[in-house]
Amino acid sequence: QVQLVESGGGLVEPGGSLRLSCAASGFTFRDYYMTWIRQAPGKGLEWVSYISTSGTTMYYSDSVRGRFTISRDNAKNSLYLQMNSLRAEDAGVYFCARGKYSHTFWGQGTLVTVSS
Amino acid sequence: QSALTQPASVSGSPGQSITISCTGTSTDVGAYDYVSWYQQHPDKAPRLMIYDVFKRPSGVPDRFSASKSGYTASLTISGLQAEDEADYYCSSYTSSSTRIFGGGTKLTVL
Repeated sequence: QVQLVESGGGLVEPGGSLRLSCAASGFTFRDYYMTWIRQAPGKGLEWVSYISTSGTTMYYSDSVRGRFTISRDNAKNSLYLQMNSLRAEDAGVYFCARGKYSHTFWGQGTLVTVSS
Repeated sequence: QSALTQPASVSGSPGQSITISCTGTSTDVGAYDYVSWYQQHPDKAPRLMIYDVFKRPSGVPDRFSASKSGYTASLTISGLQAEDEADYYCSSYTSSSTRIFGGGTKLTVL
């Protein structure tokens, strides 16, 4: 069965960096676009970024462009999100999800806390 | 880009029908048939309920239906059940090749 498992969240100071990972299994990872979506505490869903199957095309939301970098390793069935220059408003649960236009499968999320 | 516009809350009694609207612009909802709807229960990951405006994934009850007209997409839940109580989010592809979500609608089953 399809599984997406995020990791790498934690407490980081403003201005710091964090790298999230998403381990995929149960499907042919290299055949699917992958997406990061986040949710601030008590708030709605916010699309963050997606990456093409080959990893050569990436798009970002205005709020993270220039600070976050999405990448993937198809040999390791893994998706990543490098987050730099973190701000308080970047805090929340980060979900990885399969697909470009819609997402049938989601991970359980990993919590990022930005605080001094 | 601003979020798609959804009502903050809707409510209905068991067995009734409710509709949640999702209003965008000519560069997102109005431009593409890539509108999807998600259900989220507290502390759970979202669940895809509708994709490509009106298509239901396997396992989603046919009580859930959706459509689009102009810049507004709509999700209708008929025969409301207690387990339908959740937050619902719409999402659309955009002309910038990005995605955008609605602000979310809290459905209360009375």
